[in-house]
Amino acid sequence: KAGVTQTPRYLIKTRGQQVTLSCSPISGHRSVSWYQQTPGQGLQFLFEYFSETQRNKGNFPGRFSGRQFSNSRSEMNVSTLELGDSALYLCASRGGTVTDTQYFGPGTRLTVL
Amino acid sequence: SQQGEEDPQALSIQEGENATMNCSYKTSINNLQWYRQNSGRGLVHLILIRSNEREKHSGRLRVTLDTSKKSSSLLITASRAADTASYFCATDLGNTGNQFYFGTGTSLTVIP
Repeated sequence: KAGVTQTPRYLIKTRGQQVTLSCSPISGHRSVSWYQQTPGQGLQFLFEYFSETQRNKGNFPGRFSGRQFSNSRSEMNVSTLELGDSALYLCASRGGTVTDTQYFGPGTRLTVL
Repeated sequence: SQQGEEDPQALSIQEGENATMNCSYKTSINNLQWYRQNSGRGLVHLILIRSNEREKHSGRLRVTLDTSKKSSSLLITASRAADTASYFCATDLGNTGNQFYFGTGTSLTVIP
């Protein structure tokens, strides 16, 4: 099976712009989660989608949003970018039950100038 | 605040030695997972241990879980230079199981 893929791998934006990141989960996986990783805050949970519905949400401002399509692919959007949004954004997929393993993609490195 | 914390924050050992890192968490869980990350790249899943399990092995990895102490340990035996990476534990929130929290990570350096 192909692993989790994320596009693009690298992105440079300026403050105030918006950005959309994409994640394709492992075939058959219905749950997709997004994480932000920064040196200062570590790995933080953004949100989880399951069957096109947001099932859980972390403590991030409304500028961070996401969605999931019927084929389980997911997108994450950040509007009005701030310098502090520079981070590695990781997507993870799993089957959807509490005991399923999460598998991560390689991440998208976002730099906000 | 973080659900989990790893200890130590950094560990440096010689190739061939064993490496032990610990993870503590705050709330009840359904399962705990360990991951490895090389140089800011994606996370690689190492092992999952369920809350009703006490010990699990996978190759050179041994994971223990003590739910009474809310702690877990990861032992890497006969370490190799390729094991150099950051290691994270991830726990869910027992009530939902669908939201995962990562610890602060242990940076392991294996010196050849």
